[in-house]
Amino acid sequence: DAGVIQSPRHEVTEMGQEVTLRCKPISGHDYLFWYRQTMMRGLELLIYFNNNVPIDDSGMPEDRFSAKMPNASFSTLKIQPSEPRDSAVYFCASTWDRAKNIQYFGAGTRLSVL
Amino acid sequence: SQKIEQNSEALNIQEGKTATLTCNYTNYSPAYLQWYRQDPGRGPVFLLLIRENEKEKRKERLKVTFDTTLKQSLFHITASQPADSATYLCALPGRSGNTGKLIFGQGTTLQVKP
Repeated sequence: DAGVIQSPRHEVTEMGQEVTLRCKPISGHDYLFWYRQTMMRGLELLIYFNNNVPIDDSGMPEDRFSAKMPNASFSTLKIQPSEPRDSAVYFCASTWDRAKNIQYFGAGTRLSVL
Repeated sequence: SQKIEQNSEALNIQEGKTATLTCNYTNYSPAYLQWYRQDPGRGPVFLLLIRENEKEKRKERLKVTFDTTLKQSLFHITASQPADSATYLCALPGRSGNTGKLIFGQGTTLQVKP
């Protein structure tokens, strides 16, 4: 398996623009997680899905952020409108084993909002 | 709320020595604890999981201990090599009822000098 695939790897946009990040989890994994990593706050969970259903979105910073999982092999994280403080690395991870919850991370999307 | 603390200062050691990283947590009694490795520009990679009823876990040159009384885990790398240089993150599951969630520490950066 190719692992968790994220796109794009890098995104540079201007404040106010819409940004869409994409994730393809490992086939067979029924849990999908979106994280944000910054120097100040470390790795923070934004939202996670189980069987395509959002389970916990308490980490989503505000209404400008939304996430969807239309099917088992695809998820998006959208920021609209984007702000400079959204600049961070966004990771997607997946797992199949809730008991151990060993998570497999993608390479991340580095977002810069100017 | 749950709180995880890792040494924020980088750990610099000489090749061949044993590196010891610390993870402390409060307000919580987790069923297990995980350690991940993160290289620059990449997502975290799972290394080891240790359960609350296990005192110690080993994998090749890695050793993890879990002291539920002290609320602390120690992560050891014996015979360290420059290739071990990375940031190491500890992670705990969310509180009972939300075990799909992982809470990550800020990470400790290890630099092994030849």
